Amino acid sequence: ETGVTQSPTHLIKTRGQQVTLRCSSQSGHNTVSWYQQALGQGPQFIFQYYREEENGRGNFPPRFSGLQFPNYSSELNVNALELDDSALYLCASQVQGTQYFGPGTRLTVL
Amino acid sequence: QKEVEQNSGPLSVPEGAIASLNCTYSDRVSQSFFWYRQYSGKSPELIMSIYSNGDKEDGRFTAQLNKASQYVSLLIRDSQPSDSATYLCAVMPVYDKVIFGPGTSLSVIP
Repeated sequence: ETGVTQSPTHLIKTRGQQVTLRCSSQSGHNTVSWYQQALGQGPQFIFQYYREEENGRGNFPPRFSGLQFPNYSSELNVNALELDDSALYLCASQVQGTQYFGPGTRLTVL
Repeated sequence: QKEVEQNSGPLSVPEGAIASLNCTYSDRVSQSFFWYRQYSGKSPELIMSIYSNGDKEDGRFTAQLNKASQYVSLLIRDSQPSDSATYLCAVMPVYDKVIFGPGTSLSVIP
């Protein structure tokens, strides 16, 4: 049990729509990272937030954006969904340099 | 060259045998290395972290790190069918980013 929760578990959207995925970490865990994992691939780093500020970003377009809140929750927003955005989206809380993952949200874009 | 590479799978071993999983990375400044296990449809689960050259043992698992060769491995002794999963190698070249390999699928045959 990592203490990281994500919602929803599964989501189906159509191309062009917008989606918001949510993550909640344990109290005191100030660093959260988001990853995209396509089928058969390793997780790809999207971005990281530390104390409500973006603290690093991978090779993802600006339509991927995020927020972190004072209550240790965070959001990943994706605009103008594309078919290739279909993936497992993982949130990870970082504690002493180690990432602990939530259960993920499976997004399907039709 | 990809940043983190793993031996191509799938890897099949008989129950009770030793499974050997290998990983190479390109960024010489990397200081933190992790092995995650991921069951189908689930999120990655941390198995081991290693930071110094040499071996680190935890139960049936041994991680080996050679920074000069930019190589990290995971040995699983007395493999069990429950070890059947995808194993992800992860490298942290800088504090705010973790890079994952593509994963190696392991199948332990009873």
